[in-house]
Amino acid sequence: KAGVTQTPRYLIKTRGQQVTLSCSPISGHRSVSWYQQTPGQGLQFLFEYFSETQRNKGNFPGRFSGRQFSNSRSEMNVSTLELGDSALYLCASSFSRGGSYEQYFGPGTRLTVT
Amino acid sequence: GENVGLHLPTLSVQEGDNSIINCAYSNSASDYFIWYKQESGKGPQFIIDIRSNMDKRQGQRVTVLLNKTVKHLSLQIAATQPGDSAVYFCAERGIYNTDKLIFGTGTRLQVFP
Repeated sequence: KAGVTQTPRYLIKTRGQQVTLSCSPISGHRSVSWYQQTPGQGLQFLFEYFSETQRNKGNFPGRFSGRQFSNSRSEMNVSTLELGDSALYLCASSFSRGGSYEQYFGPGTRLTVT
Repeated sequence: GENVGLHLPTLSVQEGDNSIINCAYSNSASDYFIWYKQESGKGPQFIIDIRSNMDKRQGQRVTVLLNKTVKHLSLQIAATQPGDSAVYFCAERGIYNTDKLIFGTGTRLQVFP
């Protein structure tokens, strides 16, 4: 079974631009979560989607948004980029059934804002 | 690694020794706890999980212990190998009907030959 895939793996943008990151979950996983990882703040939850609906949202400004498609693939968008948005953006897909729970991460997209 | 962090605790062990990595979690209502391993340049890798109604779970060379009384989680790695060198995170799922994970700050494990 293929793992969580994220594209692109690396991205360089300038302040003020916007960016869209993509995530394809593990087949059969309907839930996708996004996290931001920085050396100073660690892993911070951005938002979570289940069946195309945002189920939970972290404490990030409205410049951060996301969506999920009917095939469970998800995208996140960051508008008006700031230098502080430089981070590793991680996507995770989850599966829960009958007391079993799994959450697996993709390799991440490294975003550098200059 | 991603959490180079000036304040990232580090555990140094000799190859072949057992390692114990500790974590304090925040929410007494959390129902699942997961340990992840993250190597430099990679996403977190699932190691083992434990439900809140258990106090111990064993995997291959790893054991997770859960102490709900003091909200403490530990990961034991037997016969630590150089390939175990990485940053280890504990994570808790704190709210029912969500997959949001709350992560600890991480511990860097360094294995010396």
